[in-house]
Amino acid sequence: GENVEQHPSTLSVQEGDSAVIKCTYSDSASNYFPWYKQELGKRPQLIIDIRSNVGEKKDQRIAVTLNKTAKHFSLHITETQPEDSAVYFCAASIKAGANNLFFGTGTRLTVIP
Amino acid sequence: DAGVIQSPRHEVTEMGQEVTLRCKPISGHDYLFWYRQTMMRGLELLIYFNNNVPIDDSGMPEDRFSAKMPNASFSTLKIQPSEPRDSAVYFCASSSGHYTGELFFGEGSRLTVL
Repeated sequence: GENVEQHPSTLSVQEGDSAVIKCTYSDSASNYFPWYKQELGKRPQLIIDIRSNVGEKKDQRIAVTLNKTAKHFSLHITETQPEDSAVYFCAASIKAGANNLFFGTGTRLTVIP
Repeated sequence: DAGVIQSPRHEVTEMGQEVTLRCKPISGHDYLFWYRQTMMRGLELLIYFNNNVPIDDSGMPEDRFSAKMPNASFSTLKIQPSEPRDSAVYFCASSSGHYTGELFFGEGSRLTVL
């Protein structure tokens, strides 16, 4: 089955700096890569996703890049704000929404004001 | 829509007791997933259903765990007998299975087994 590895497990940045979280996956058939944000005590929520037919996607301060050859994808958050503090999970799936999402182990991001 | 609704939000029980967690998916979603979240193992898929039929239960830890989906608007996850190592947050999520792919999670049920 798919194996998703995520690094780092914790990340602290100063407010205004950028944060980068990296994930690798093992199954070359995976073609859907979402990122979920989980604030303390809350449910995970989708913040951005990317499919294998594109290499990069951006939504305001967040962006995701995908390298299918190397089987890795990354989340980039620019101009970080305290409300960005949360646990971020990457995931991979063969079929978006209709199959098992394999999650990474999460990155706890702390933005220091 | 109110989103995915789970109950109870918190459950504290003693080892050996039966625990039943409940989930109401978003109306119209034909996929339902049960996840378990722990510090050590992160988010693990336990089982998922498509049109009320279990598709993959390979993540169910052992026979003490069972899940049902008697209709499109209700699912249960049962643990019998419960053990302290079952303590975790259990999330239910649903999706439409369409191209958008988003999983909508419930608020979770925090289970503590003493």
